[in-house]
Amino acid sequence: GDSVTQMEGPVTLSEEACLTINCTYTATGYPSLFWYVQYPGEGLQLLLKATKADDKGSNKGFEATYRKETTSFHLEKGSVQVSDSAVYFCAFLKAAGNKLTFGGGTRVLVKP
Amino acid sequence: GAGVSQSPSNKVTEKGKDVELRCDPISGHTALYWYRQSLGQGLEFLIYFQGNSAPDKSGLPSDRFSAERTGGSVSTLTIQRTQQEDSAVYLCASSLAPTGGTDTQYFGPGTRLTVL
Repeated sequence: GDSVTQMEGPVTLSEEACLTINCTYTATGYPSLFWYVQYPGEGLQLLLKATKADDKGSNKGFEATYRKETTSFHLEKGSVQVSDSAVYFCAFLKAAGNKLTFGGGTRVLVKP
Repeated sequence: GAGVSQSPSNKVTEKGKDVELRCDPISGHTALYWYRQSLGQGLEFLIYFQGNSAPDKSGLPSDRFSAERTGGSVSTLTIQRTQQEDSAVYLCASSLAPTGGTDTQYFGPGTRLTVL
């Protein structure tokens, strides 16, 4: 069935370190792919998205590229800040569907 | 502009009681969604409304759960005879108009429900 697999956290790293969160999906067709972020005490916010193969979504220094051949959408940031500490969720939306299917979330803690 | 709002932000209830959770979508958004975020199950889809069409209720976990959307805007999620396993954060989202699966859903802050 449809699913999203993302690396389990917590991921702990120092400020200015590189961050990669792996995400792979299982779905029929060509879904749109999303990364949502949940900062402490706040709701889910869209971080970035990509709607077709080879598209790159980017926002706030984060990037992710839609890789159809590997059904992946890994999130990367070259230099993290303490303010990036949050839980990150990978998700997809099927072309004929209406519901987002989410991964389990990855907690990231950036230490000064 | 104003985002999705939900009320109450927190709700504590006793097992067996009924609860109502409210969602105000972004103005002009025709689609509205309810999700549930719990420790054991992660983020799960519950129900979807689009305009005047019949809602997609495929994610509702039991017949104790129901939702309605009045006038194409405000939505209420009702849980009857609450159980402890209903404890979770209930998230509402809205989107402009689902078009070919590219539409972005914008989430509210959620209602944290605790069933004692």
